[in-house]
Amino acid sequence: DTEVTQTPKHLVMGMTNKKSLKCEQHMGHRAMYWYKQKAKKPPELMFVYSYEKLSINESVPSRFSPECPNSSLLNLHLHALQPEDSALYLCASSQIRTSGNTGELFFGEGSRLTVL
Amino acid sequence: AQSVTQPDIHITVSEGASLELRCNYSYGATPYLFWYVQSPGQGLQLLLKYFSGDTLVQGIKGFEAEFKRSQSSFNLRKPSVHWSDAAEYFCAVSQNNDMRFGAGTRLTVKP
Repeated sequence: DTEVTQTPKHLVMGMTNKKSLKCEQHMGHRAMYWYKQKAKKPPELMFVYSYEKLSINESVPSRFSPECPNSSLLNLHLHALQPEDSALYLCASSQIRTSGNTGELFFGEGSRLTVL
Repeated sequence: AQSVTQPDIHITVSEGASLELRCNYSYGATPYLFWYVQSPGQGLQLLLKYFSGDTLVQGIKGFEAEFKRSQSSFNLRKPSVHWSDAAEYFCAVSQNNDMRFGAGTRLTVKP
């Protein structure tokens, strides 16, 4: 099983809503990532979890709140978003090699978020 | 500062022609290097990777890439492009837990 599963695939929310994006992998990977991708742009790193602990937070606004409840699951809680937060949100996972570096990332298909 | 540069925003090639997509990086030590492909509305698929060893690496779909330390480059090549190769291509570098992407090169394939 080499899949990263993201739900929902599409989400439309108002600026006062609270919603969550979910990501699941069963490859035994201990690093998980959230990226944000705007149209015709590369993915931008938001958060990295290593061994279920937040290891990188790229100064993301607090209206985005990540959570890693266990080694297979990664959530991104959304609250009071702005229209400019509309984007494709990509989850990824990777092994942590013996060197401490991560290997290749396996990506989900993404959750396309529209904020009205 | 660490950076990944893909100098070509958009490349058009004819079907059957050869392809080379450029990637340069600026990191303190040799990072891990990757090429990913993304079709519209899709996630990213790994084409190939370089960690160490042989500097010419083979990937899926007939792609290969060559790591050149002296030029800090990791260019992607394919000898004969197919119409289905039309997509966005991203070079990526990773150090520790941090993977960063270049701006991407959009490939158009002419019939």
